[in-house]
Amino acid sequence: EAQVTQNPRYLITVTGKKLTVTCSQNMNHEYMSWYRQDPGLGLRQIYYSMNVEVTDKGDVPEGYKVSRKEKRNFPLILESPSPNQTSLYFCASALLRGGLRNEQFFGPGTRLTVL
Amino acid sequence: ILNVEQSPQSLHVQEGDSTNFTCSFPSSNFYALHWYRWETAKSPEALFVMTLNGDEKKKGRISATLNTKEGYSYLYIKGSQPEDSATYLCAPQVEAGGTSYGKLTFGQGTILTVHP
Repeated sequence: EAQVTQNPRYLITVTGKKLTVTCSQNMNHEYMSWYRQDPGLGLRQIYYSMNVEVTDKGDVPEGYKVSRKEKRNFPLILESPSPNQTSLYFCASALLRGGLRNEQFFGPGTRLTVL
Repeated sequence: ILNVEQSPQSLHVQEGDSTNFTCSFPSSNFYALHWYRWETAKSPEALFVMTLNGDEKKKGRISATLNTKEGYSYLYIKGSQPEDSATYLCAPQVEAGGTSYGKLTFGQGTILTVHP
């Protein structure tokens, strides 16, 4: 089944404790992206990647790191999480055929709470 | 950060009503516009990706139009059903060199509630 998976789905952690949220897709998509969703602020893009070893900042990259060493995986790293990073996080992927004019497929989301 | 506005913020309609929402975005350097449907407790699902001025796309009872010169898109739902209740999001892309077209800025969405 074609899908985007994220792990963990739920995480409660404490300020300053490094964490990684994994994202994996099995559709051979070149493009992958991370978003966070906060009440009243909608979906905001954190980072995106056009292909292996190519990553760019979205609108809210502060406090996050990403890497794209393999085509299928795009982990989101919080080196020193803070309470303002408590949010619902979505990973998405898309084909780059014809440029990025293709629909994105979203993962199930990761709800992160930083105490 | 792109200024993307969606209106109305929320909408309540009766089953069978037709409805429409608006997405406004900067018209310069337009690349593409995405529409997504997001049901509560689920993930966003793509409805349309639109690229050409005057584009019109249709999926069942849902259709969308695009005006890139004036920077807006309309989403129409004909004969709304309770299962259409969701948040409808738009996200324009602009072309500003390099890989900038990979950046998507979502509007805050229109929350549609369809009452039986």
